Amino acid sequence: DAGVTQSPTHLIKTRGQQVTLRCSPKSGHDTVSWYQQALGQGPQFIFQYYEEEERQRGNFPDRFSGHQFPNYSSELNVNALLLGDSALYLCASSIRNGQGLFGPGTRLTVT
Amino acid sequence: GENVEQHPSTLSVQEGDSAVIKCTYSDSASNYFPWYKQELGKRPQLIIDIRSNVGEKKDQRIAVTLNKTAKHFSLHITETQPEDSAVYFCAASLEDTGFQKLVFGTGTRLLVSP
Repeated sequence: DAGVTQSPTHLIKTRGQQVTLRCSPKSGHDTVSWYQQALGQGPQFIFQYYEEEERQRGNFPDRFSGHQFPNYSSELNVNALLLGDSALYLCASSIRNGQGLFGPGTRLTVT
Repeated sequence: GENVEQHPSTLSVQEGDSAVIKCTYSDSASNYFPWYKQELGKRPQLIIDIRSNVGEKKDQRIAVTLNKTAKHFSLHITETQPEDSAVYFCAASLEDTGFQKLVFGTGTRLLVSP
C-alpha cells in the first residue's frame, strides 16, 4: 500500500493562471481533506470531501474549489493564482471521523 | 472559529534534556488534540494524540497533557535525541460532526544538540 499519494511533486505557475493538484487516498480511506501550508506556518484547512461532496470548508475564497471522484481520489483547483498562493498543498485521507494521514504534498510556486 | 496558539516558536536543548511545547485553544467544544512532527521537506506525521475525556497520555519518551478548564495542552519529550530535531505542530478539532477539521498551531522548531 503506497499510502496517500499526491501529484505533481512540484509546480511553477504564473500569476493569473489556474492549477489542478491531485490526491489519491490510502486504500480503505473514503474522506479527503486539503490543507495549505505556507512557508514557516502550520497547515490551514481548505476543505474536506466525503461521498463526492464538500462537507466542510475553511476560510478560503471561491478561487479554491475541489472535487472527489467515485474512487475517492480528489482534485484541488485554484483559479486566478496570486503570489500568496505559493505554498505546500497537503492532502490528508481518512475514514470518516478518523485520523488523517498526510500525503507528501505538492509544492506550488507562483511567480 | 477555533484558534490555536503555540509556544515557544523555537526551542534548543541538549541531548538528554527534556523539551516541553505548550498550546492553548479557544473553542471549548474542541475534543481532539493531535501533535505532528514535520521534518524538513517532509509531510506532517502524527506522533501522539489525546481526547478530551483523558488528562494525560504517554508513549515511550513522549507524553501529552490536557487541561480542559484552562484550554491548554502540552507535549513533553524526555531524553531528547538529535533525531527529535524537527518542527512540531499542535492541532485541535471537534470530532462530533463526523468530519475532522484540524486547526493547527504555528509550530515549534526543536533543535537537539549532541
